[in-house]
Amino acid sequence: GESVGLHLPTLSVQEGDNSIINCAYSNSASDYFIWYKQESGKGPQFIIDIRSNMDKRQGQRVTVLLNKTVKHLSLQIAATQPGDSAVYFCAENNAPTGANSKLTFGKGITLSVRP
Amino acid sequence: KAGVTQTPRYLIKTRGQQVTLSCSPISGHRSVSWYQQTPGQGLQFLFEYFSETQRNKGNFPGRFSGRQFSNSRSEMNVSTLELGDSALYLCASSLAYSTDTQYFGPGTRLTVL
Repeated sequence: GESVGLHLPTLSVQEGDNSIINCAYSNSASDYFIWYKQESGKGPQFIIDIRSNMDKRQGQRVTVLLNKTVKHLSLQIAATQPGDSAVYFCAENNAPTGANSKLTFGKGITLSVRP
Repeated sequence: KAGVTQTPRYLIKTRGQQVTLSCSPISGHRSVSWYQQTPGQGLQFLFEYFSETQRNKGNFPGRFSGRQFSNSRSEMNVSTLELGDSALYLCASSLAYSTDTQYFGPGTRLTVL
């Protein structure tokens, strides 16, 4: 995982368009990945997760894709709405053995939805 | 089912003081993790507790400590506060294991003057 810098990258999309948010993770041994959404003044909110034995998982309006070969994770949001505007974080659980829970978060990306 | 709750939501302290933050996990969740969020460093793992035992620890100095009670509620303490400790402190709970989804509370905003 990597720290979030002072200036987060921003993705600006038109309302109604599809959004794709990308994330590169660091540990090839990680076996569980999560996407979180954080709105201003709130804690991160779980969106969707995927385990390493899968390469795609769909939720309501969201799809997560996992490419283990290049250690890449993406979040696709269909028909983006103004309420989707937030900072999005990917996280990997890089303690796959034993019961240690330790999430490492990637750089946050700000999604801005234009009306 | 109620979500993760954290108290207080906001705190202002001065350098050298100590502070205790509280977290109540989702009912039935036994694992509680703490994170520090700052603009410069992003979200960083502090520690994780399960069954009143610290199960994992991040790279923070010994001034940061925590504990968990028999009802799974957790507290974290920061002693000898420094300006750089100003941050949003987030608590997350999960059922039991590393592959269980972690749900976050709203956080405690700590400002050190």
